[in-house]
Amino acid sequence: QVQLVQSGAEVKKPGASVKVSCKASGYTFTGYYMYWVRQAPGQGLEWMGWINPNSGGTNYAQKFQGRVTMTRDTSISTAYMELSRLRSDDTAVYYCGGANSGYAPVDYWGQGTLVTVSS
Amino acid sequence: EIVLTQSPDFQSVTPKEKVTITCRASQSIGSSLHWYQQKPDQSPKLLIKYASQSISGVPSRFSGGGSGTDFTLTINSLEAEDAATYYCHQSTSLPHTFGQGTKLEIK
Repeated sequence: QVQLVQSGAEVKKPGASVKVSCKASGYTFTGYYMYWVRQAPGQGLEWMGWINPNSGGTNYAQKFQGRVTMTRDTSISTAYMELSRLRSDDTAVYYCGGANSGYAPVDYWGQGTLVTVSS
Repeated sequence: EIVLTQSPDFQSVTPKEKVTITCRASQSIGSSLHWYQQKPDQSPKLLIKYASQSISGVPSRFSGGGSGTDFTLTINSLEAEDAATYYCHQSTSLPHTFGQGTKLEIK
């Protein structure tokens, strides 16, 4: 069955960077776009962008342009989301999700990674 | 950016009741509107895709409708396990956006 397994919780200081991984199994990794969505404590879902694992092409929400980088390593079926210059309001659960195009619903979700930004 | 506005924000309902949640888009999005259910401390789960298409494994009491700018998620004969927050999501244009969520409480 399809599984997306994310890396563990992180605690970072303001100004630092965090890199979250998402390892896929149960399907052809290059056949599904990987979306990244975050959720601040007690808040709703916020779309950050996606990566096409086949081409490496990306699309980021303007809000995160310049601070977010999405990459992938096809040899180990893993996608990454790196967010730099962290602020306290970046504290959130970060989810990866699989979708069959860049204009599709998220069919499969990772379990989420809590990133806490605190001095 | 397309704004999705859900109503209501919160609803308290009794089991077996019928519930309708609406999602309105700030501009036409065709049928590229999807619904998710999120229970506390869980990842979201896809319930309905492309406005009205059912998802394998999702109970048949969940249904969706609408097109253009106005969409609905209907839950027939609500069950206790349906207590959750529900989100709509548009994938017509970039950036994708989500509604603010509707929290359902079961009395």
